[in-house]
Amino acid sequence: NAGVTQTPKFQVLKTGQSMTLQCAQDMNHEYMSWYRQDPGMGLRLIHYSVGAGITDQGEVPNGYNVSRSTTEDFPLRLLSAAPSQTSVYFCASSPYGGANTEAFFGQGTRLTVV
Amino acid sequence: DAKTTQPTSMDCAEGRAANLPCNHSTISGNEYVYWYRQIHSQGPQYIIHGLKNNETNEMASLIITEDRKSSTLILPHATLRDTAVYYCIVRSSNTGKLIFGQGTTLQVKP
Repeated sequence: NAGVTQTPKFQVLKTGQSMTLQCAQDMNHEYMSWYRQDPGMGLRLIHYSVGAGITDQGEVPNGYNVSRSTTEDFPLRLLSAAPSQTSVYFCASSPYGGANTEAFFGQGTRLTVV
Repeated sequence: DAKTTQPTSMDCAEGRAANLPCNHSTISGNEYVYWYRQIHSQGPQYIIHGLKNNETNEMASLIITEDRKSSTLILPHATLRDTAVYYCIVRSSNTGKLIFGQGTTLQVKP
């Protein structure tokens, strides 16, 4: 049981490049979400999903796309990277979308856009 | 989504209880209070959550006021390893979203 696994751990992109941040969980959790954390700031919600085939926007969705084709995976796509997207990205999952469940976080992907 | 207000920073002596306050005056009836902490920019770690009753686990206690407008996280015997940023979060039963604020930086001192 690996929990929430994020890949890669570190990434450097050039402005305008695209890439996909991977997030996988092996706990059969319905609810998954993506956050970004800028230096000295709290986490901000980008997108979330309450189950396969269902996604919704969080606080800061612009510049990011998501899809949820399986329960296990919730990739985050940057279509055209910008320096403002330099941040640490965290993925989280919980058993279902209700409020009475613990959410588990991955260890983060540190992205630098130059 | 209800918002939370926390002090920016707090100090605590090692071995003493750390009491971290949180204000969530706009919380609604179906929203839970959660506490997470983050050490050295690692992934946030779950501590405890509750709806209206006080809760205790092996890490901490959560005291929620009767009107549910504020709460206090208690670390009974703080250690140096408890130095971290502590986030108080209100989580909606409708959406399940965890919306983080700025958190409290707790510094445990020898």
